[in-house]
Amino acid sequence: GAGVSQSPRYKVAKRGQDVALRCDPISGHVSLFWYQQALGQGPEFLTYFQNEAQLDKSGLPSDRFFAERPEGSVSTLKIQRTQQEDSAVYLCASRTGTGGYNEQFFGPGTRLTVL
Amino acid sequence: GDSVTQMEGPVTLSEEAFLTINCTYTATGYPSLFWYVQYPGEGLQLLLKATKADDKGSNKGFEATYRKETTSFHLEKGSVQVSDSAVYFCALSLLGGGTSYGKLTFGQGTILTVHP
Repeated sequence: GAGVSQSPRYKVAKRGQDVALRCDPISGHVSLFWYQQALGQGPEFLTYFQNEAQLDKSGLPSDRFFAERPEGSVSTLKIQRTQQEDSAVYLCASRTGTGGYNEQFFGPGTRLTVL
Repeated sequence: GDSVTQMEGPVTLSEEAFLTINCTYTATGYPSLFWYVQYPGEGLQLLLKATKADDKGSNKGFEATYRKETTSFHLEKGSVQVSDSAVYFCALSLLGGGTSYGKLTFGQGTILTVHP
């Protein structure tokens, strides 16, 4: 079956623009995560959804970052008034259940470059 | 807070050499441990995992043993191939429940290059 997909794969934004990044998880997966991966670093947690509920947003770096998953499937990560430090790869992952021992399946990521 | 430390890279080896990538962790609870791999141009994939002390995860010739006494989860392979060239990430996850929700905490990654 289809894996996790993300769009766009690449996004170039001018500083101050708003961007929206989309994630299509594996069908039926309850859990959905967003991570931010800076160049040469490991991914860092941003936010977690269980179905449509955003249960943890402790990793969002500022109030310019906003995520939603209104119907418990597709999720969108929105960044308002982008800054150069927002340049990174944004990864989405989904998981079949809620247990931390279960595998998270990752999408290919969206590479955001803010000029 | 929880953290994962990987050996500094990159690592360059000849084909059929022995590989070790060190990983140590700090966790407030009792974590599950993972190795993820990122091949060039591809997304992160789970390589192996271990969920309790002394468990050994294995896949594609790679192995790692969960050592609670040394808080380590070192990745090993007896004979690497050119196709193993990739970035390897060690990660931990606390069990679901509470406020951790099983989010992954990653190390910084180790670039492995294998030459013919």
